[in-house]
Amino acid sequence: EDKVVQSPLSLVVHEGDTVTLNCSYEVTNFRSLLWYKQEKKAPTFLFMLTSSGIEKKSGRLSSILDKKELFSILNITATQTGDSAIYLCAVVGAGGTSYGKLTFGQGTILTVHP
Amino acid sequence: DGGITQSPKYLFRKEGQNVTLSCEQNLNHDAMYWYRQDPGQGLRLIYYSQIVNDFQKGDIAEGYSVSREKKESFPLTVTSAQKNPTAFYLCASSNEGFYGYTFGSGTRLTVV
Repeated sequence: EDKVVQSPLSLVVHEGDTVTLNCSYEVTNFRSLLWYKQEKKAPTFLFMLTSSGIEKKSGRLSSILDKKELFSILNITATQTGDSAIYLCAVVGAGGTSYGKLTFGQGTILTVHP
Repeated sequence: DGGITQSPKYLFRKEGQNVTLSCEQNLNHDAMYWYRQDPGQGLRLIYYSQIVNDFQKGDIAEGYSVSREKKESFPLTVTSAQKNPTAFYLCASSNEGFYGYTFGSGTRLTVV
């Protein structure tokens, strides 16, 4: 069974802090790893990672994948109150019973105080 | 505009009744998914379908049923066998190659 585990489950910081969110996975056939931000309803896409060691950046957010150790991290620098959300990690299966299956972790609830 | 429409946004039902949640997409995506989300938690996969007339159970399929008679539509029925149906339900679809996923805005089901 495919499995995605995120840590920490919740995190409370103050504006300006830097945070690192973790995602580890066990997938029979790995295709890609996705990060999403969810504030109220539908998750919004942040990053898709398919190759190890290549950092993806978007403003204050960045993410990297390690396919050997089966994990990814999402970094947020200079946090703002608008970063408060649930951050979701998901993996896409590439073959067999996992083909096309999108499996999510439990999510990390990030709260940023002014 | 292309996208996924879930309806209704809010749904109230009495315990013991079956209820069907609608999910329609006009993105021409082959694959569609149903997820359940409980407060403060991640998304758990209920069912997914990679092609018309075919679907697979996800991690928590018990008490749910789906159909995929048309490419555009993937309705989810929450049956009376689902012991704790109150939750937020999200539908998603993906393009060929599974490089992009689109989510609907969700249906919040409350069973009283």
